[in-house]
Amino acid sequence: GAGVSQSPSNKVTEKGKDVELRCDPISGHTALYWYRQRLGQGLEFLIYFQGNSAPDKSGLPSDRFSAERTGESVSTLTIQRTQQEDSAVYLCASSSRLAGGLETQYFGPGTRLLVL
Amino acid sequence: EDQVTQSPEALRLQEGESSSLNCSYTVSGLRGLFWYRQDPGKGPEFLFTLYSAGEEKEKERLKATLTKKESFLHITAPKPEDSATYLCAVQAGGSTLGRLYFGRGTQLTVWP
Repeated sequence: GAGVSQSPSNKVTEKGKDVELRCDPISGHTALYWYRQRLGQGLEFLIYFQGNSAPDKSGLPSDRFSAERTGESVSTLTIQRTQQEDSAVYLCASSSRLAGGLETQYFGPGTRLLVL
Repeated sequence: EDQVTQSPEALRLQEGESSSLNCSYTVSGLRGLFWYRQDPGKGPEFLFTLYSAGEEKEKERLKATLTKKESFLHITAPKPEDSATYLCAVQAGGSTLGRLYFGRGTQLTVWP
């Protein structure tokens, strides 16, 4: 079946511009996550959506970062007034709750963002 | 603060030379430990989930084990196609259920 898809695959922008990154989760997955992977670093959690619950935004690094999700489908991550330190790979993952509540997260291919 | 540490950072093996990757963790209330494989330019690919100390799982040349403090990913007779970065992640109990804490990964290179 179809996996998690993300678009665009690559994005080059100028410092100060806004960017929108899109994630299409696996159909039927109720949970959706955004992570950031900077060069040489581990994946950093950004935000978590679970069904109709309020999102967990505890990982967002600044108020320039925001994300939305429409029901249990598409999500967009928006970065306003981009800075060079925002350059990274932005990864989206989705999961469905297994028995006992433990979830396996399946990742998309990522969006490589370069801020000049 | 929850932490996941992987070692070594990089590992070069000759084809057929078995070895192990280490993932040590300090989290409150481990709910699960995950191993992923990441190829250059791609997203992480799920390999294993381990839930409790003593558990082992195998897939082809890979075997993952878990203790109360660490996990090992054993690679038996590796082939060049096993070259990738291997990521370890843990899911902990608490208010941020669901999120994963990742290590920085071990970059494995297997040469013929």
